[in-house]
Formats: sequence, C-alpha cells, structure tokens
Amino acid sequence: DVKVTQSSRYLVKRTGEKVFLECVQDMDHENMFWYRQDPGLGLRLIYFSYDVKMKEKGDIPEGYSVSREKKERFSLILESASTNQTSMYLCATQGNQPQHFGDGTRLSIL
Amino acid sequence: EDQVTQSPEALRLQEGESSSLNCSYTVSGLRGLFWYRQDPGKGPEFLFTLYSAGEEKEKERLKATLTKKESFLHITAPKPEDSATYLCAATENRDDKIIFGKGTRLHILP
Repeated sequence: DVKVTQSSRYLVKRTGEKVFLECVQDMDHENMFWYRQDPGLGLRLIYFSYDVKMKEKGDIPEGYSVSREKKERFSLILESASTNQTSMYLCATQGNQPQHFGDGTRLSIL
Repeated sequence: EDQVTQSPEALRLQEGESSSLNCSYTVSGLRGLFWYRQDPGKGPEFLFTLYSAGEEKEKERLKATLTKKESFLHITAPKPEDSATYLCAATENRDDKIIFGKGTRLHILP
C-alpha cells in the first residue's frame, strides 16, 4: 500500500510566521503535489514536482513555495503566513495513476 | 476550459435506499476518471479508476460506470458507514495534472 505521511495533523501559527509543512512518501513515486481544500472551493493545486529539485506552479501558488531535495520528501513553505492561508493542506503522490493522498494538515493562522 | 462537475452537492438517504452520484466532465482527451472517498478530517481515499466509455468497476456496495461525458457512482443498499464525501477527478492525455470536482456529501441515515 502507498503510504503518504504528513508531519502534522493540526497546526496553529501566528500571522507573519514562516511555516513548513512536510510530506514523505514511501513508494519511490516521481510526482508529488500540494493542494489546499476549502469548503465550497474543493481541492486547489498549489505546487507540484515531477522530480528532485524540480517544481512547477499550480493554480494558486501566491504566498507559497516548495522544496524537493530528496525524491521521497516534498515540503510546502508559507513564507509569511496570513489568515487567508487557514485551510486543510493535502499532499499527494503519483506513480502511474492515480494520486494517493496523505491525511492532511489542518492549519490555522491566528 | 476543462471541468469536472459533480451533482448533487449533498444527498441524504435512508439505510438501504439505493441511488447514484453524477460526475460530468469536459476534458479534451480523457486519460483516466477517478473516484475517491473522503471522511471528515482525512485525506481522499482512492476507490476506482475508469479509462474508457462502457467500463465498470465494483467494490462492495459501490459501482462506478463511465460514458463519454459522465461517470456515475451507484450505491446499492447503503449503510451508515458509507456516509462520506465522494470526489470525482479526471486527467487528460497531455499531462499528469488532475482536475477535481467539488464532491458530493453523502449521508446515510440509520
């Protein structure tokens, strides 16, 4: 079974803080994705990566950056957290198809 | 614009009352159509992949079908534990990005 592990289930941070969300997968998949999920808006793609050191902007990259130094780890960085970044963040990995998801990090920015 | 639209947004059924969830898609060159189940506070869990019109997949009380324009998730004699949000998603031939619908919230009353 594919295992996608997100470092925190719940996280509370303050406005202006730099926030790191970590995602690790154990299936040697090339592709990894970061989404946020908000009521009424569904899943929205923030960034994705097809290989180590490679990153591509998704649909809503503003205010975020990513890092992929190793194949199994994909990190999402909120450079200066703002209240509108309060959301559920989901990491996904993909070999052939389909995408497999972690259990998410519910992030609150106060 | 490529889109995936799910209906209804929410559905309440009595235990044992069969029904269907709809997913209509407009993508140029469908590569795969996916169904996921998402429980509150957790990440989406993969259920099915469908690749071509006429294809069907089954798992317990769930059956997914695909036509050239839409997919249906049929639920037969549902139980309260089938309550969840069901997400539909599609990928195109040209890349690995996946387009998600906003989901159908299914509630099965005992």
